[in-house]
Amino acid sequence: EPEVTQTPSHQVTQMGQEVILRCVPISNHLYFYWYRQILGQKVEFLVSFYNNEISEKSEIFDDQFSVERPDGSNFTLKIRSTKLEDSAMYFCASSGDGSYGYTFGSGTRLTVV
Amino acid sequence: AQSVTQLDSQVPVFEEAPVELRCNYSSSVSVYLFWYVQYPNQGLQLLLKYLSGSTLVKGINGFEAEFNKSQTSFHLRKPSVHISDTAEYFCAGRVFYGGATNKLIFGTGTLLAVQP
Repeated sequence: EPEVTQTPSHQVTQMGQEVILRCVPISNHLYFYWYRQILGQKVEFLVSFYNNEISEKSEIFDDQFSVERPDGSNFTLKIRSTKLEDSAMYFCASSGDGSYGYTFGSGTRLTVV
Repeated sequence: AQSVTQLDSQVPVFEEAPVELRCNYSSSVSVYLFWYVQYPNQGLQLLLKYLSGSTLVKGINGFEAEFNKSQTSFHLRKPSVHISDTAEYFCAGRVFYGGATNKLIFGTGTLLAVQP
């Protein structure tokens, strides 16, 4: 069964550093997403990406965040200057034609120290 | 407002007993509804989804859910739980905006704690 792959599974970074979280969505999917889950809390929508541009972003997704699909297969989330409160599990997801469910990756646990 | 509400943050239940995890959605959420399970320190796994058709949806691991439009509910049930069902369960609904573009919004999750 096709999978969404996320790397790394765990990343530790110092406050103020830039991080890039990587995702390889399912190859024939058209819609791509990043979600965040702070420990013990709900899964929160960050951003959706379709047709090579952001289609919606939440209030969490401020100027410190950016997404990119650099080569037609990878989908990345960049945090320019990490803060302690960015520590969370970040999930990538992809979806096909909008009629079916989303497939989530196994997540990247980001720890900002 | 667009919202998915899970009324119970934690549901303790004894092994082999039946369980129901409750989920309600706001009318502005589409009727594409999902249940995901998250085992400790793992990602989100799709349990089942409702897109259309029969209101009773069967999923993996013996779970099922019933879509009730009049009550705007999508409760998850299992007739007999196992210790291995202990996990966080998230209800989610799809919100459409601008053509086919869409996103999932999640409830706050329900911890199913199965006791021997």
